[in-house]
Amino acid sequence: EAGVTQSPRYAVLQEGQAVSFWCDPISGHDTLYWYQQPRDQGPQLLVYFRDEAVIDNSQLPSDRFSAVRPKGTNSTLKIQSAKQGDTATYLCASRGTGAYEQYFGPGTRLTVL
Amino acid sequence: AQSVTQPDARVTVSEGASLQLRCKYSYSATPYLFWYVQYPRQGLQLLLKYYSGDPVVQGVNSFEAEFSKSNSSFHLQKASVHWSDSAVYFCALSPPCVCSWQLIFGSGTQLTVMP
Repeated sequence: EAGVTQSPRYAVLQEGQAVSFWCDPISGHDTLYWYQQPRDQGPQLLVYFRDEAVIDNSQLPSDRFSAVRPKGTNSTLKIQSAKQGDTATYLCASRGTGAYEQYFGPGTRLTVL
Repeated sequence: AQSVTQPDARVTVSEGASLQLRCKYSYSATPYLFWYVQYPRQGLQLLLKYYSGDPVVQGVNSFEAEFSKSNSSFHLQKASVHWSDSAVYFCALSPPCVCSWQLIFGSGTQLTVMP
């Protein structure tokens, strides 16, 4: 069974540029999470979906962040006009129906100069 | 409010020594508890989990953890570490009454195993 995949693995931007991160969850997993992990900190939830619906996006740091999962499978997280404070690793995780465990992808390490 | 505290940011042990990584949680009831490990440039991998029952839970690679309700703790232990155990370890809780199964993480403990 393939795990959670993410791309790109690394991104380096200047302030003000936009960037998108892509996540392919484990096949059949209905719930998908995006986490932000600043350097030397634990992951913090940004948003999560059940199928194509956004269940909770209240922890997105600003309206510069948006996330979609249009067909209930793959998901895209986008940052408009990135800032240095957005520098972090962005992790995607998925969970199957009725399960408790989340499975994580390798993450995208973002550096904003 | 719920939270997880890992008081030791860095731990260094010699190969073959025993290990304990500490985790304290704050939650009004008994949460679901997890330990994850993160190797360099990789995502988080689940080591073990506690939902209920026997307070000592076994995980992968001979790791185990002990839940203590009285101490609000979930410490990770290993009898004999190997150099390949060097990584960052995260303790996390999930409130069982919230349907999101959101994970709340501690800040992590960087483990270095000296040869």
